[in-house]
Amino acid sequence: DAGITQSPRHKVTETGTPVTLRCHQTENHRYMYWYRQDPGHGLRLTHYSYGVKDTDKGEVSDGYSVSRSKTEDFLLTLESATSSQTSVYFCAISESVGNYEKLFFGSGTQLSVL
Amino acid sequence: RKEVEQDPGPFNVPEGATVAFNCTYSNSASQSFFWYRQDCRKEPKLLMSVYSSGNEDGRFTAQLNRASQYISLLIRDSKLSDSATYLCVVNKDTNDYKLSFGAGTTVTVRA
Repeated sequence: DAGITQSPRHKVTETGTPVTLRCHQTENHRYMYWYRQDPGHGLRLTHYSYGVKDTDKGEVSDGYSVSRSKTEDFLLTLESATSSQTSVYFCAISESVGNYEKLFFGSGTQLSVL
Repeated sequence: RKEVEQDPGPFNVPEGATVAFNCTYSNSASQSFFWYRQDCRKEPKLLMSVYSSGNEDGRFTAQLNRASQYISLLIRDSKLSDSATYLCVVNKDTNDYKLSFGAGTTVTVRA
C-alpha cells in the first residue's frame, strides 16, 4: 500500500461543467501521475508532476489541467467536461524498488460525463 | 502501430494448466519492462519486472526477447485467483513518465 487516496471514487456530471479529481498521498513521493483508462486502450498519461508546482503534460493532455500546491496533493481538473472524457482515472506515484522505478496506483475514479 | 500490443484474449484455461502470452513493443530503444496485473474494476498492481536474462517469481516466468521486441509471461499451475487482466508496460527511455501500457490480456481460470 503506497498510501494513495483518490476522491471522489465515482462522479457523474454534465457536459460543460468543471470537474476536479483529487489524489492524496501520505508518503512524500516526489513523482505523481494521472492516467486515464478506456476499453481497448492501455493506460494513457494526461499529466505528471515531479514536485510542488512542477508539472508537465502527457500524451492525452488536451482538456485537462493539473495543480500541485503541496507534495501530498495532485489535482486533475476538467475545465469543461465532455463526453469523450468519460473514463476511469488513476492516480499513481513512482517509487524506487531495486534498480527500477515502479508505479503504484490509487483505486481509481470512475467519471461519467452525460 | 501501437507502441505496445497485446492479444486481448480471453485465455480460458482450467485450473492447474499452463498459460503463456506475449506482448510486442515497437521502440527498440525501450529500457525497462514490466507486467502489471489488474483485477476487474481495480487498480493495476505490479506483478513483476522483466529482466534481460528472464526471471521467475513462483509460478510466474517472464522473458524478454530484444531481437524480436517482445516480452512474455508464463503462468504455471494456474489458480482461480490468477484470473485477471495482465498489462504489459514498457519504459521508452530513462524518463520514468514515458511508460507505454498495453491494453491488457485477459486470463480466466476455470475450476
